[in-house]
This record gives sequence, structure tokens and C-alpha cells, in this order.
Amino acid sequence: NAGVTQTPKFQVLKTGQSMTLQCAQDMNHEYMSWYRQDPGMGLRLIHYSVGAGITDQGEVPNGYNVSRSTTEDFPLRLLSAAPSQTSVYFCASRRTGWDQPQHFGDGTRLSIL
Amino acid sequence: AQSVSQHNHHVILSEAASLELGCNYSYGGTVNLFWYVQYPGQHLQLLLKYFSGDPLVKGIKGFEAEFIKSKFSFNLRKPSVQWSDTAEYFCAVRGYNQGGKLIFGQGTELSVKP
Repeated sequence: NAGVTQTPKFQVLKTGQSMTLQCAQDMNHEYMSWYRQDPGMGLRLIHYSVGAGITDQGEVPNGYNVSRSTTEDFPLRLLSAAPSQTSVYFCASRRTGWDQPQHFGDGTRLSIL
Repeated sequence: AQSVSQHNHHVILSEAASLELGCNYSYGGTVNLFWYVQYPGQHLQLLLKYFSGDPLVKGIKGFEAEFIKSKFSFNLRKPSVQWSDTAEYFCAVRGYNQGGKLIFGQGTELSVKP
């Protein structure tokens, strides 16, 4: 089972460039989310989706866009990268349901110069 | 809104020492509570979770946590740590009627000396 797959694993961008981080899951999970992880700040929720066609903002949505055209995919877009967006990004998915745990991808390490 | 606070940023222990990591959350309603572990260079893995019932929950690798509703706490414990427990530990809360969002604490880095 592939689980939650994130690509790329590493990326270096210049300030102002745009980029899409890919996330795909093969478990037919309805709920997907994006987090960023920064030292001393834990994981902070960027955006999430409860199903295809539905997205909502998390704790730190500014500078990021998402869409959910299929159940499997939940891409995260940086429209104009800034050094403050240097971070490790994790995608997660789970089934809808009060007792369902999150499954995390391996992360994308993004550096903005 | 829900939030989580982990009191210890970095804990250093010797092997066989006992461990307790603090976690407090703020949310007045029903909650799910989780502890995740992240080994160096890896993604997060679920250690244990609380949904309802017995407030003392047991997880993998000998970890356990106790939910104390009156204190809004969910502290993680292990009687005897091993060098292989060196990792970062995250507490997380999901509040009922909060859109299913899982909110994490800042994390506690645990270093176990052999």
C-alpha cells in the first residue's frame, strides 16, 4: 500500500517563484490536510478538505492555495514563495469519522532563498 | 478555538529513567486526544489515542497516557525509556464540531542517553 505520497521530497525555490506540492492517497480517504512543521512550533494546519470540491482554511493559510478536484489528490500551491515559507510540509489523510486517525506522508522539505 | 500546549521543549534522560511529557489543551467540549512520535528524518507515527471510555490509554512501545478532563491534560508516560525512544513527541487535539481539524502542540524533543 502506498498510503499518502508526497512529491517532491526536497525543493529549493527563489523568492517570488510559484510551486505546487503534490499529495496523493490511495486509501479513499475523504479528509485531507496540509501542515507545515517549523522548529519549536510543532505542526500548524494550513488548509484542509473534508471531501472532493470542499476546502477550508486552517491556522496559517496565507500565501497558500489548495483545491480538491478528486478524492485522491490534494495539491498545495505557493503562489509567490517567500523565505518565511521555508519549512517541512506534511500532507495527511483520514476517513471521515470521529475516531479515525490521521495518516501522514513523508514530507516535503522546502527552502526559499 | 482549540489549542494545545506542551510544557517541555527538550527533555534529556538516561536509559531506564521514567518519562512524563506534559500536554494541556484548551477546548470546552468533547475532544479526541493523540500522541504522535517523529523519529529523526521520518514522518509522524501514531503512538496512542483517546476517544472515550477508560481515561488511561495504552499505546505502542510501552507508552501510555492519562486523560484528566478536569485538568484538560493528556500527559504521556513511559516507565523506562530506551535509547531508541529518542525522537520528537507531539500532542494533538481534535475538538468535536471543529470541522475535524487536528491541532498540534509545539512538540517535545526527547534525547535518551545510553
